[in-house]
Amino acid sequence: AAGVIQSPRHLIKEKRETATLKCYPIPRHDTVYWYQQGPGQDPQFLISFYEKMQSDKGSIPDRFSAQQFSDYHSELNMSSLELGDSALYFCASSLGGALELFFGEGSRLTVL
Amino acid sequence: SQQGEEDPQALSIQEGENATMNCSYKTSINNLQWYRQNSGRGLVHLILIRSNEREKHSGRLRVTLDTSKKSSSLLITASRAADTASYFCATPRGSGNTGKLIFGQGTTLQVKP
Repeated sequence: AAGVIQSPRHLIKEKRETATLKCYPIPRHDTVYWYQQGPGQDPQFLISFYEKMQSDKGSIPDRFSAQQFSDYHSELNMSSLELGDSALYFCASSLGGALELFFGEGSRLTVL
Repeated sequence: SQQGEEDPQALSIQEGENATMNCSYKTSINNLQWYRQNSGRGLVHLILIRSNEREKHSGRLRVTLDTSKKSSSLLITASRAADTASYFCATPRGSGNTGKLIFGQGTTLQVKP
């Protein structure tokens, strides 16, 4: 069965650079979530989209933005990267009001 | 502070033994979920228990929920080396049912062969 696809899997950037992460949800899933997981930490909710509209916002820095496109894929844009942005970034998707989230394998961002 | 707090933070057992992990939360919830994460990998949904349920089973997993104590436990019976992973409880943010989750700090389980 198709799963949530994230790219790139690994990304290395310098401070103050920008990075874009992509997420392709499970087909027919209409809701996408972004989570950030620092080393040894629990995942933190960043932002979510339902039917291409932002549905909720969590602890997402102002330097980050995200959107969901007409084909339901989502992109997380991160600018002015800081060392503390180094983390695993997960995308998850769900269908309608389903409570179970399906997570991708994550994108590991390292900021040097 | 985190909505969910888990204990123990780390657990090491022998294959065949049972593993119990506990989770506490602060606010009222409609449901609580447990996820598993292999090191550096994505989270995998294990089981969801609703606030009107006290116990739920799925294979070797048994989850309990005590809303009066705002706590849940995950029991893995007859553990296997492949169960080695981190286990997180997660509760919805805000009121109502929502997929926007607050995760606990996780329990790292090591099952020795």
